[in-house]
Amino acid sequence: EAGVAQSPRYKIIEKRQSVAFWCNPISGHATLYWYQQILGQGPKLLIQFQNNGVVDDSQLPKDRFSAERLKGVDSTLKIQPAKLEDSAVYLCASSLVVGGFYEQYFGPGTRLTVT
Amino acid sequence: SQKIEQNSEALNIQEGKTATLTCNYTNYSPAYLQWYRQDPGRGPVFLLLIRENEKEKRKERLKVTFDTTLKQSLFHITASQPADSATYLCALAPNFGNEKLTFGTGTRLTIIP
Repeated sequence: EAGVAQSPRYKIIEKRQSVAFWCNPISGHATLYWYQQILGQGPKLLIQFQNNGVVDDSQLPKDRFSAERLKGVDSTLKIQPAKLEDSAVYLCASSLVVGGFYEQYFGPGTRLTVT
Repeated sequence: SQKIEQNSEALNIQEGKTATLTCNYTNYSPAYLQWYRQDPGRGPVFLLLIRENEKEKRKERLKVTFDTTLKQSLFHITASQPADSATYLCALAPNFGNEKLTFGTGTRLTIIP
């Protein structure tokens, strides 16, 4: 079974530029998550989709971050304009219900450096 | 505010010994707690889940305990091996059906041959 795919793996941009990340979840997984992981910290949930609807985006900085999941499959996360503090690894995860809970499968992440 | 603390940033253990990692939380009543492993340059990988009404869970050389009175989970790796070296994250969920996980900062475990 193929895992969660993310691209690009690395991105370096200057502050105030825009950037987009792409995620392809595991086939059949209805729930998709985007996390931000700053160096030395645990992942922080930015947004959760169920199919193509948003379940939770309470921690998404909506003035600069946006995300969409068209047709309930692939998803993109965009930052515009980027700030220095956005430097982090952006992780995508998808989930499948297992025994009453949602086991999350993570992709390798995109490491963003904002200079 | 909700807070999750993992006992230390880094832990060095001699090969063959038992590694014990701690996850403490405050201002939280989780329905369940998960432990993940994260290797450098990779996303976290799910290891174990323990529910609020369970005291202990085992999987091969892994054991997790959950004490809701102390608001603490312990994660044990017995007969540790260098391949167990990684960062281990605990994550809490408020209830089944709401998978908004809150992660701790992680403990970087190194098993010394």
